[in-house]
Amino acid sequence: GDSVTQTEGLVTLTKGLPVMLNCTYQTTYSPFLFWYVQHLNEAPKLLLKSSTDNKRTEHQGFYATLHKSSSSFHLQKSSVQLSDSALYFCAWLSGSFNKLTFGAGTRLAVCP
Amino acid sequence: ETAVFQTPNYHVTQVGNEVSFNCKQTLGHDTMYWYKQDSKKLLKIMFSYNNKQLIVNETVPRRFSPQSSDKAHLNLRIKSVEPEDSAVYLCASSAGTGGRNYAEQFFGPGTRLTVL
Repeated sequence: GDSVTQTEGLVTLTKGLPVMLNCTYQTTYSPFLFWYVQHLNEAPKLLLKSSTDNKRTEHQGFYATLHKSSSSFHLQKSSVQLSDSALYFCAWLSGSFNKLTFGAGTRLAVCP
Repeated sequence: ETAVFQTPNYHVTQVGNEVSFNCKQTLGHDTMYWYKQDSKKLLKIMFSYNNKQLIVNETVPRRFSPQSSDKAHLNLRIKSVEPEDSAVYLCASSAGTGGRNYAEQFFGPGTRLTVL
């Protein structure tokens, strides 16, 4: 069935280092992928979205490229900051009724 | 301010009680959603309404019932809560369901329910 997989539960990094959070999907439909970020005790907020193959999308220093050949939409940043510590969800949009299916989430912890 | 608002922020209750949570959006959106976020932070959709009509109803116990008076409001009632209902309930809205231009969902801050 259709699904979104995030392989890392927790990623711990030192400030200033690059990060890549993995997201792969499985769907028979044309994919439309999202990254949401949820800071502690806050609402999830949209970070990035894409349905265009091989086109990089960027926002707030984060970027991702949808690769249909590998069914991936990995989230990257070249230099993480302390304020990037949060829970990151990859999500896939079902064509029917805007239903979002979320991955399990990856917690990013950035240390000084 | 245009956003998604939820009340209450927290609710503690005992097994078997009835609870009700409110959600209001001032974004002018047509579609609203309820999600459950469990203790492992997994996010799962429960219900979706478009212009007061129920359009998505996932496999949710019958003690959960959404209620929509107009397209800006979507409440959630739980009759006879169980311990496994302890979670954060997140409300969201989007402009519509008619295609990818309407896809972005805006979330409220959530209501944390604790069932003793």
